[in-house]
Amino acid sequence: NAGVTQTPKFRVLKTGQSMTLLCAQDMNHEYMYWYRQDPGMGLRLIHYSVGEGTTAKGEVPDGYNVSRLKKQNFLLGLESAAPSQTSVYFCASRIGTGPFYNSPLHFGNGTRLTVT
Amino acid sequence: DAKTTQPNSMESNEEEPVHLPCNHSTISGTDYIHWYRQLPSQGPEYVIHGLTSNVNNRMASLAIAEDRKSSTLILHRATLRDAAVYYCILRVPQPQGAQKLVFGQGTRLTINP
Repeated sequence: NAGVTQTPKFRVLKTGQSMTLLCAQDMNHEYMYWYRQDPGMGLRLIHYSVGEGTTAKGEVPDGYNVSRLKKQNFLLGLESAAPSQTSVYFCASRIGTGPFYNSPLHFGNGTRLTVT
Repeated sequence: DAKTTQPNSMESNEEEPVHLPCNHSTISGTDYIHWYRQLPSQGPEYVIHGLTSNVNNRMASLAIAEDRKSSTLILHRATLRDAAVYYCILRVPQPQGAQKLVFGQGTRLTINP
């Protein structure tokens, strides 16, 4: 099993450009999450999804959109990139229902995005 | 949101036990305490979680205070591979039955050979 796979690993954008970050998990997990990590700020939740076709806002959703058309994929979009979105982005997934209420998060290895 | 407080950094020697403290004075009765760690250039990795009782697994032990306002992650015999940033997190219930885990700044653990 590959677990959680993020693509691309690195990307440089110019201000105003758009891009989509892809997260794929092969564990049949219900819940998926997008975080960003900035120096000295820990991880902050951008958006999350509790199942196919559903999305919800986290603590820092502005400037980002997400989609969960298939259970195994969770896409994070930047429509018009800004330098403030320079960060490392992590995707995570977990089993979320029934007796697995406290199941741990499984993280990908991140996408390092630089916006110039 | 429920917050946790951890020391910014700690240092220990190889093959010695390490006790990583965490304060969570605003914890509610149904919040679980989770610990993750993050090695350089990797995503966070689950370590352990608990509610009220002390917990053990192959990676570590979790000691939870009786009033649940603090907890301690215990690495029984640290190795160089345990050098990482350790996050103490409270599970925060959300609408639709979802949860989110609020990550703070964590403790950077250095292991000396």
